[in-house]
Amino acid sequence: EAGVVQSPRYKIIEKKQPVAFWCNPISGHNTLYWYRQNLGQGPELLIRYENEEAVDDSQLPKDRFSAERLKGVDSTLKIQPAELGDSAVYLCASSLGTEVEKLFFGSGTQLSVL
Amino acid sequence: AQTVTQSQPEMSVQEAETVTLSCTYDTSESDYYLFWYKQPPSRQMILVIRQEAYKQQNATENRFSVNFQKAAKSFSLKISDSQLGDAAMYFCAYKNSGYALNFGKGTSLLVTP
Repeated sequence: EAGVVQSPRYKIIEKKQPVAFWCNPISGHNTLYWYRQNLGQGPELLIRYENEEAVDDSQLPKDRFSAERLKGVDSTLKIQPAELGDSAVYLCASSLGTEVEKLFFGSGTQLSVL
Repeated sequence: AQTVTQSQPEMSVQEAETVTLSCTYDTSESDYYLFWYKQPPSRQMILVIRQEAYKQQNATENRFSVNFQKAAKSFSLKISDSQLGDAAMYFCAYKNSGYALNFGKGTSLLVTP
């Protein structure tokens, strides 16, 4: 069974450009999370979905970040426009229900904003 | 807000030896979960071990065990018989009755032959 799949693995863009990250969770996992991991830090939650509904987006910088999970399966996280401080690893994770104890992570997208 | 502190930015251990990684946390809750995650260069976070706060017995998973001191709010990870494949970043994490994980800043573990 495939794990959580994320693409691209790396992305380099210039500031003010848009960027998008894609995540496909483990089949059957209805809860999906996007985390941001800054250099030298642990991951921090950006947004959590239950099926297609964003049930917690309180940490998502809404002026430039957006996310969607239209059919309750895969998800896209977008930044527009990107800033230098957005350079980080963006991790996607999924779980069955809210069992965080059984959380599975993808390998992330490393974003570099120049 | 709960905070998780890992005071050791880097640790080194020789192959086959034992190493202990430290973690302390701050919370006013009585019911919570604690975790240790491993993040190798592939960046994928992998669950190593977890501990429910209501359980007094320390969790063990093969070569990995924890020392959970609830009163002291301490949750250390012991890796026995260290292997080269254990080299990675290790993150301590806390979860209360909600769903969000709060991670520490991590400890980089180097394993030398």
